[in-house]
Amino acid sequence: DAGVTQSPTHLIKTRGQHVTLRCSPISGHKSVSWYQQVLGQGPQFIFQYYEKEERGRGNFPDRFSARQFPNYSSELNVNALLLGDSALYLCASAQAGGETQYFGPGTRLLVL
Amino acid sequence: AQKITQTQPGMFVQEKEAVTLDCTYDTSDPSYGLFWYKQPSSGEMIFLIYQGSYDQQNATEGRYSLNFQKARKSANLVISASQLGDSAMYFCAMREFSGSARQLTFGSGTQLTVLP
Repeated sequence: DAGVTQSPTHLIKTRGQHVTLRCSPISGHKSVSWYQQVLGQGPQFIFQYYEKEERGRGNFPDRFSARQFPNYSSELNVNALLLGDSALYLCASAQAGGETQYFGPGTRLLVL
Repeated sequence: AQKITQTQPGMFVQEKEAVTLDCTYDTSDPSYGLFWYKQPSSGEMIFLIYQGSYDQQNATEGRYSLNFQKARKSANLVISASQLGDSAMYFCAMREFSGSARQLTFGSGTQLTVLP
């Protein structure tokens, strides 16, 4: 079975631009979460979606938004990019009622 | 206060030997879960092992075991018979069940290097 997939793998943007990151969960998984991992740190929780509804939001500004589609895939949008948004963005999926989150390979975003 | 503390920024171990990676946590939630993930240089977080706060026995998964000491709030990862492929960053994480979100809080990680 395919794991969590994310696209694109790498992205370079300039300050002020907008970016959309995409995630497809493991088949059968209805929960998708997004994390930001800045170099040298552990991942930080951004959002969790379950059945297309937002179930949780981390301490991130309103420039960050997300949504989940009927096929359970998800998009993370970041507006007005700042240099500090440069990071590895990880998507994770989980089964309904399951505890373990399975991560994708991530999208490396560089903001210049 | 830090919810997850990993005090070892880097660790070295000889191939075929066992190694313990430390993790302490802080929560007032009576129900929680503890996880260990491995992150190679490629970036993907690989799930290793899970321990629930009410589990009576320590979790084991192949060469990985979790030394869970609830009173001390510690959840150390033990890797037996280390292999060169075990060289990676290791993260301890916690999910508190009181919230509705499936949110993981991660520590700062330990970089493990296995020496031939």
